[in-house]
Amino acid sequence: DTGVSQDPRHKITKRGQNVTFRCDPISEHNRLYWYRQTLGQGPEFLTYFQNEAQLEKSRLLSDRFSAERPKGSFSTLEIQRTEQGDSAMYLCASSLDQGSGANVLTFGAGSRLTVL
Amino acid sequence: GDSVTQMEGPVTLSEEAFLTINCTYTATGYPSLFWYVQYPGEGLQLLLKATKADDKGSNKGFEATYRKETTSFHLEKGSVQVSDSAVYFCALSDHQGAQKLVFGQGTRLTINP
Repeated sequence: DTGVSQDPRHKITKRGQNVTFRCDPISEHNRLYWYRQTLGQGPEFLTYFQNEAQLEKSRLLSDRFSAERPKGSFSTLEIQRTEQGDSAMYLCASSLDQGSGANVLTFGAGSRLTVL
Repeated sequence: GDSVTQMEGPVTLSEEAFLTINCTYTATGYPSLFWYVQYPGEGLQLLLKATKADDKGSNKGFEATYRKETTSFHLEKGSVQVSDSAVYFCALSDHQGAQKLVFGQGTRLTINP
């Protein structure tokens, strides 16, 4: 397994356009997370999937944001009508729910969004 | 809600110096604690973790001890190398629900030869 893959690595778009990011988690991992990281800050939680079910969403996830994980494997994060404030690194992470012990997340390299 | 506070950076040290990066947390329960590292151009990587009070996590010469009485998880290394230059993030997760990570703001470390 090659770890968590994210695509594209970089996206430059104009304000008002829609963008979509894809995440391919580690194949046996049933949990998938999206985070946002702005310059000089730590990652902030956006949303979480257990298999195909989206079980938690942050208040940071406005109605312009939508995430899916249709078959419990890869996930997409779409941002509609992008704004300059959406410029950030979008991180995907996955983990295996083992029922006990620490939940260790493995992160992808991220997708950097620049909104002009 | 839960939160993590890290020592502000940037931190600049000479090779072979002793490193401490402070981290304190606020949580309603007894979380698991983590240090993640982000090397230039790469994704976040788990450095070490501890799941209960007095546990010591260690990896690559780095150590951190889970101190419940001081709600701290300070990162230490006895002799740093140039290759340790990176951004270090302290994080916690609870043991219920999403078990999502809550991160500190990160500390940028630069090691000079």
